[in-house]
Amino acid sequence: QKEVEQNSGPLSVPEGAIASLNCTYSDRGSQSFFWYRQYSGKSPELIMSIYSNGDKEDGRFTAQLNKASQYVSLLIRDSQPSDSATYLCAVSKVGDMRFGAGTRLTVKP
Amino acid sequence: DAGVIQSPRHEVTEMGQEVTLRCKPISGHDYLFWYRQTMMRGLELLIYFNNNVPIDDSGMPEDRFSAKMPNASFSTLKIQPSEPRDSAVYFCASRQNQETQYFGPGTRLLVL
Repeated sequence: QKEVEQNSGPLSVPEGAIASLNCTYSDRGSQSFFWYRQYSGKSPELIMSIYSNGDKEDGRFTAQLNKASQYVSLLIRDSQPSDSATYLCAVSKVGDMRFGAGTRLTVKP
Repeated sequence: DAGVIQSPRHEVTEMGQEVTLRCKPISGHDYLFWYRQTMMRGLELLIYFNNNVPIDDSGMPEDRFSAKMPNASFSTLKIQPSEPRDSAVYFCASRQNQETQYFGPGTRLLVL
């Protein structure tokens, strides 16, 4: 079992729709959870971090964490073509940070 | 701050040659990470340092790979001898405590 699992997609949504990205992790001792966005040919950049159960909103992005289910999700509201990228889920215990394989999102105009 | 700096940005070498990748973390960051990214395996953690000390190198694929951090502002990842399957993008990242982790631009390595 991989430590961090994501649906590799690709996920395609129309402009203005909600994009839903999901991630599960195997280590119950994980403490910190992150969503990174990576454009083709570029390095990953942080878009959201979440540390406690529940929802965390930042503009059009909402991260959701359920530690009991070992599940993290990212919702992107009012999706824009500029959101088209690969989204990486990352999980950290103490010190390290491990990534899922990423979900490729395409937002069609 | 200039961010995480990596060099070279691109490297093309022949099988069997030694390859050295370099990284300068953001000043003040106490964690440094080396990752490898391929289409097949995604973003893999190779090794990470805390205060210049290697903490976990379980992701280093083989003895051909080695990493050092002689001081707080410099780290190297060395592959000797290199093989075609080592072709990938190698990222260095740094962070302070449990704060945001920042990635460098990556080194694209092609081993022929």
